[in-house]
Amino acid sequence: AQSVAQPEDQVNVAEGNPLTVKCTYSVSGNPYLFWYVQYPNRGLQFLLKYITGDNLVKGSYGFEAEFNKSQTSFHLKKPSALVSDSALYFCAVRDMRDRDDKIIFGKGTRLHILP
Amino acid sequence: DSGVTQTPKHLITATGQRVTLRCSPRSGDLSVYWYQQSLDQGLQFLIHYYNGEERAKGNILERFSAQQFPDLHSELNLSSLELGDSALYFCASSADRGQQYFGPGTRLTVT
Repeated sequence: AQSVAQPEDQVNVAEGNPLTVKCTYSVSGNPYLFWYVQYPNRGLQFLLKYITGDNLVKGSYGFEAEFNKSQTSFHLKKPSALVSDSALYFCAVRDMRDRDDKIIFGKGTRLHILP
Repeated sequence: DSGVTQTPKHLITATGQRVTLRCSPRSGDLSVYWYQQSLDQGLQFLIHYYNGEERAKGNILERFSAQQFPDLHSELNLSSLELGDSALYFCASSADRGQQYFGPGTRLTVT
């Protein structure tokens, strides 16, 4: 069965500094990987995905993520953080071989960008 | 705006009652997913429907059920409600095995 781990409940970063939100996964087959962001009292918004191809994926709002197969990681990154990036971030995985077609979310990491 | 709509936005009800949450997917999306989000449990996958048929079940209680209708809208039925069922309930839709588009959620409060 697939699983996702976001080891940090909260990440604090000063505005203008680079940020990283960590995600590791476990699947039987090849993964589809996703990052979503949730602002207060809102639904989740899609940021980016990895299905195949380049290991570095670029997404919305200047975010990118690097797929590392050997470390089974898909960390979210941004070169220069903005206060408006403060939100709850979810990593998710889908197993390409999973006939049940489930998508599993991590517990979320709360990102605080300090002005 | 994701194109996914959910009604109602807020629902307050008493223990033991039954409620129905409604979701309309994005135009053309055949898949509908339901999730429960609570403070201590994160985002829990409940159930997935594809073109009217149940495709996958997650941590869905027997007191909960769902269906997807021919027009592709979906309903999540929660019965014999308990205080612990208070949560945000999201639905999401997708066209394929790619990203999901989430609705704004229904906040359920059981008193």
